[in-house]
Amino acid sequence: DGGITQSPKYLFRKEGQNVTLSCEQNLNHDAMYWYRQDPGQGLRLIYYSQIVNDFQKGDIAEGYSVSREKKESFPLTVTSAQKNPTAFYLCASSWTSGGQSSYNEQFFGPGTRLTVL
Amino acid sequence: RKEVEQDPGPFNVPEGATVAFNCTYSNSASQSFFWYRQDCRKEPKLLMSVYSSGNEDGRFTAQLNRASQYISLLIRDSKLSDSATYLCVVNPDRGSTLGRLYFGRGTQLTVWP
Repeated sequence: DGGITQSPKYLFRKEGQNVTLSCEQNLNHDAMYWYRQDPGQGLRLIYYSQIVNDFQKGDIAEGYSVSREKKESFPLTVTSAQKNPTAFYLCASSWTSGGQSSYNEQFFGPGTRLTVL
Repeated sequence: RKEVEQDPGPFNVPEGATVAFNCTYSNSASQSFFWYRQDCRKEPKLLMSVYSSGNEDGRFTAQLNRASQYISLLIRDSKLSDSATYLCVVNPDRGSTLGRLYFGRGTQLTVWP
């Protein structure tokens, strides 16, 4: 089955630790995204990548880092510099314009809930 | 001004009711519009893309009003299973090859028996 997977589903981190969230897709999508969602809030874009070995900061990139070494994978590292990392993290992917969809709808993984202890 | 604004609700309606959500967007050059559904503690899932002429999918109807820069979602004959948060989503970039999306905060709907 095609889709997006994220792991782990739940993650607990001590203050001062870096943690890496996994995101893998087998949809052959070019673009991948990381969002953060806080209770009662909308999705906020952290980083996005349109192509392998290239990525751009979103609206709240401070304290996060990403890599895009493979088309299928877009891991997110939450560093100790992120002041308030407890949140629900969502990874998404999409085709880019001119691909199979001109509307750029994004497909989401099941998310990772990160809690700082 | 936010890219996308929605009334957060909550909307509480009985089964069988018709309910409508509106959403406004700030960038008049926006090209693509969507409604996503998000269940509690789950990921958002695409409900409908919104086409210029409006579109219907079963009990769900989406409309786009470019002049007033708003998008609507109408749900007819509400079911208990429609209870969720509905996210209004806009791609504001004309000709963008990335298709970055902006999400509203969502409108919460509860359908009661």
